Amino acid sequence: QSALTQSASVSGSPGQSITISCTGTSSDVGGYDYVSWYQQHPGKAPKLMIFDVTYRPSGVSNRFSGSKSDNTASLTISGLQAEDEADYYCSSNTNSSTVIFGGGTKLTVL
Amino acid sequence: QVQLVESGGGVVQPGRSLRLSCAASGFTYSSYDMHWVRQAPGKGLEWVAVMWYDGSNKYYADSVKGRFIISRDNSRNTLYLQMNSLRAEDTAVYYCARGRASTFGPPGGYWGQGTRVTVSS
Repeated sequence: QSALTQSASVSGSPGQSITISCTGTSSDVGGYDYVSWYQQHPGKAPKLMIFDVTYRPSGVSNRFSGSKSDNTASLTISGLQAEDEADYYCSSNTNSSTVIFGGGTKLTVL
Repeated sequence: QVQLVESGGGVVQPGRSLRLSCAASGFTYSSYDMHWVRQAPGKGLEWVAVMWYDGSNKYYADSVKGRFIISRDNSRNTLYLQMNSLRAEDTAVYYCARGRASTFGPPGGYWGQGTRVTVSS
């Protein structure tokens, strides 16, 4: 199964907002409300930022928010900060009882 | 606190086998699904396999199906990944990650530090 589609890179200046999209199909993103988003800094393990499309784990800044429309999920980061510079991955259940990740988006804070 | 510690990585020749382990602590291990996720050098995350909390079901990515076997020992709070017929493209950092306790979903907020596997002659 092919990876969920994410743009390769996105950039923004400190204080701005950016949105990362994650496009799948009705067999994954569109069929379940189990989309998660992860942040990964170089050499580190992924960190969960959003689960079940819109929920933030305890300790994650409310500058991070998630949404979904049809087969596309989105992660929005508001008030960009330098420490937000990282790779971001989406993931979803599939109708085959597996999990699929997006290809990843590199966020650059200018 | 929740801890996941992988071990067993190393350098292995193509066609050989390797077994990874993930020791879990700080939570009721037998209540959670457990995942393996890998990341090839300079590449993105790739989901590998999941085993349900009670061991009743296991699922694999197409790229490893028939070669890798996920298992768990709930008495030892340990997750395993038996990797057979290894290929160069299996070279990656392998992470174990905790899933959910009630419904099936993507990996959650707890990941190990990863163990590196290099397949090379």
